Amino acid sequence: DAGVIQSPRHEVTEMGQEVTLRCKPISGHDYLFWYRQTMMRGLELLIYFNNNVPIDDSGMPEDRFSAKMPNASFSTLKIQPSEPRDSAVYFCASSLSGGQMNTEAFFGQGTRLTVV
Amino acid sequence: GNSVTQMEGPVTLSEEAFLTINCTYTATGYPSLFWYVQYPGEGLQLLLKATKADDKGSNKGFEATYRKETTSFHLEKGSVQVSDSAVYFCALSDLYDMRFGAGTRLTVKP
Repeated sequence: DAGVIQSPRHEVTEMGQEVTLRCKPISGHDYLFWYRQTMMRGLELLIYFNNNVPIDDSGMPEDRFSAKMPNASFSTLKIQPSEPRDSAVYFCASSLSGGQMNTEAFFGQGTRLTVV
Repeated sequence: GNSVTQMEGPVTLSEEAFLTINCTYTATGYPSLFWYVQYPGEGLQLLLKATKADDKGSNKGFEATYRKETTSFHLEKGSVQVSDSAVYFCALSDLYDMRFGAGTRLTVKP
């Protein structure tokens, strides 16, 4: 398997524009996580899905952020409208629970978002 | 709720020095514990893990022991190399949650 695939790797956009980040998890994995990494706040869990269903979105900072997982092989994180403070590296990760969510997560290489 | 606290960095060591990065956790259940490593420009990779109390995880010369009595999972390496320079994250996972510490940046100088 190619691992968790994120696109794009880099995104530069103007304030107010809509941004969509994409993630393809490892085939067969039943958990998918979205994280945001900044120097100030470290690694923050935004939302996670189990079997395509959002389980906990309490980390989503504002209503401007939304995430979907229409099927087991694809997820999106959308920011609309984007703001400069959204600039960060966004990571997607997936894991295979085997019935318990205590197995390792596999991370994508991240999307570096810059909002100007 | 669950949380992970790890020592703040950055940590700078000379090659062949001994490394300890402290990690403590708070959890309501019986989590698994992990150390992940992040090299520049990359995502996090699993370094080692332990799934129950007194387990020792080890990989690439790094070790960490799951201490339930002190709720700790400190990362150690006897002799660091320049190639170990990276950011290290402590993490926990239980049935409902996966949380990471803030990360500790390690720089090893020749």
